[in-house]
Amino acid sequence: IAGITQAPTSQILAAGRRMTLRCTQDMRHNAMYWYRQDLGLGLRLIHYSNTAGTTGKGEVPDGYSVSRANTDDFPLTLASAVPSQTSVYFCASSKERGSYEQFFGPGTRLTVL
Amino acid sequence: AQSVTQPDIHITVSEGASLELRCNYSYGATPYLFWYVQSPGQGLQLLLKYFSGDTLVQGIKGFEAEFKRSQSSFNLRKPSVHWSDAAEYFCAVGQGTGTASKLTFGTGTRLQVTL
Repeated sequence: IAGITQAPTSQILAAGRRMTLRCTQDMRHNAMYWYRQDLGLGLRLIHYSNTAGTTGKGEVPDGYSVSRANTDDFPLTLASAVPSQTSVYFCASSKERGSYEQFFGPGTRLTVL
Repeated sequence: AQSVTQPDIHITVSEGASLELRCNYSYGATPYLFWYVQSPGQGLQLLLKYFSGDTLVQGIKGFEAEFKRSQSSFNLRKPSVHWSDAAEYFCAVGQGTGTASKLTFGTGTRLQVTL
């Protein structure tokens, strides 16, 4: 059982390019989340999905979009990357929104130049 | 709005020594409280959680935490630290239930263990 997988592990991207970070879970969890982790700021929620077919905005959603076509996958897209989006991105899931025990993927380190 | 403060950015302890990581929260109602650990290059893993009941909660890897309402604190402790405990530790507070729930993380404390 893999839990949550994320791809790529790391990426260097030119500003203005489009990028999709992939996230897949095999736990059949209903809720999924995208966080960014920045030094001194902890983890901040970008977008979430309570269940397949629904998404919502978190604390820092600008410049990002998500989709949830099925239970397992929750991709995060940067339509036109900017240097301030340089960060480590974590995907997480929980059985239900509000069950609070969130399971995290290994992260994607993204550098935008 | 709820918030979480971890006053110590970086702590160094010797292997075998005791450990206490501080966490203070700001939230009007009874909070749901969590500690997560992040090993280098890894995602976060839940160490322990407090929802209600006994204010001293036990977690994995020999960690425990005590909820003190009067001090708005939820400090993490371990009696004897192992070198493998070197990691970053995040305190988090949960607010609300169901689809209105929100989990807020502190900024983290990096633990270094010396041999």
